[in-house]
Amino acid sequence: AQKVTQAQTEISVVEKEDVTLDCVYETRDTTYYLFWYKQPPSGELVFLIRRNSFDEQNEISGRYSWNFQKSTSSFNFTITASQVVDSAVYFCALSLWGNAGNMLTFGGGTRLMVKP
Amino acid sequence: NAGVTQTPKFRVLKTGQSMTLLCAQDMNHEYMYWYRQDPGMGLRLIHYSVGEGTTAKGEVPDGYNVSRLKKQNFLLGLESAAPSQTSVYFCASSYTGQLVTGELFFGEGSRLTVL
Repeated sequence: AQKVTQAQTEISVVEKEDVTLDCVYETRDTTYYLFWYKQPPSGELVFLIRRNSFDEQNEISGRYSWNFQKSTSSFNFTITASQVVDSAVYFCALSLWGNAGNMLTFGGGTRLMVKP
Repeated sequence: NAGVTQTPKFRVLKTGQSMTLLCAQDMNHEYMYWYRQDPGMGLRLIHYSVGEGTTAKGEVPDGYNVSRLKKQNFLLGLESAAPSQTSVYFCASSYTGQLVTGELFFGEGSRLTVL
């Protein structure tokens, strides 16, 4: 069975600080997908990124960047120059390729609070 | 763009009552899911469906039933609600990717309180 661990339950930063959200996963499969979702105070989950297990290239999208390292089974998420609008709960998730259903296994989430 | 729509958004039940949550998606997705979200536990899969007329159990299926009579709708039922089912319920859908696992599109959530 697979597992996703987000050890940081809550992080508080001051606006413009950089912040990294950690994600560690466990799976015996060699082909899998990793995701990050954002849940703002309004409640809906917003898809941020998907990576497959064959692609370890880091990705940058604006102020967001992701560091995928298979050697440590980690898929960390960094927000550069954080803003108040980044305040949300962030979930890391894992899906196994080929499973009948694309089901996601979620971590417990990290609540990020960005103070002005 | 409706996407995934859940009804109702809020509901308060007494122990033993029954209710149904309705999820509708307009993206022609084959796969649909019901998750529950509890503090510190992330989202846990209750049931899912890989197509019209099919359903399967997820991680925490006990106390829930589902039906997928139409491709665009996925219903979650509680036959006899218990306080342990107080939670926020999320419906999601995704496309079928033969070589790619697609992301899930989520509804806004339904907050259920069982007294």
